[in-house]
Amino acid sequence: AQSVSQHNHHVILSEAASLELGCNYSYGGTVNLFWYVQYPGQHLQLLLKYFSGDPLVKGIKGFEAEFIKSKFSFNLRKPSVQWSDTAEYFCAVNMNRDDKIIFGKGTRLHILP
Amino acid sequence: DGGITQSPKYLFRKEGQNVTLSCEQNLNHDAMYWYRQDPGQGLRLIYYSQIVNDFQKGDIAEGYSVSREKKESFPLTVTSAQKNPTAFYLCASSISANTEAFFGQGTRLTVV
Repeated sequence: AQSVSQHNHHVILSEAASLELGCNYSYGGTVNLFWYVQYPGQHLQLLLKYFSGDPLVKGIKGFEAEFIKSKFSFNLRKPSVQWSDTAEYFCAVNMNRDDKIIFGKGTRLHILP
Repeated sequence: DGGITQSPKYLFRKEGQNVTLSCEQNLNHDAMYWYRQDPGQGLRLIYYSQIVNDFQKGDIAEGYSVSREKKESFPLTVTSAQKNPTAFYLCASSISANTEAFFGQGTRLTVV
């Protein structure tokens, strides 16, 4: 079955630390890839997306992600996190231009001031 | 303002009762989705619809039903057959089936 895996369920970092959150998917065909963020008490919102082209995509708030097709991965990165990055992060995948988007289980990120 | 409106924000029901959650969008999006969010489970797809009068089951459709009579509306009914209905329900829409989704603020349903 098609699936999306986020390896880190809960991450705790200090401010200014670098961040990398893993995301892998189980599908060998064409994919559209997304990272969403849910700040406490707020809507889910899109951080960044990849459809085609340059596999390194930049999103809002200094986040970026790299699509590595050979590894079926789309890891999220940020060079220096801030306390305001405390949130839950979800990787999502649309497989083979299908008509649905599948989400991972999420990673809860806690930044220590 | 354009967006997706879910109502109500909090909903309480007695066990055995059906309940309908509202989702309206004024973004002129073709596709709409219902997800259920539980702690540690991420978002699980309940139902989705690409066009009016058409919808498909997601991964956890049992105990739920939907309708898509209008482009802007996609209500979700949680029936008494749903064994564990207490959860946070999220509605989303997208321009087409494989583009990014925009989410509503969610409805927290508690069944007692």
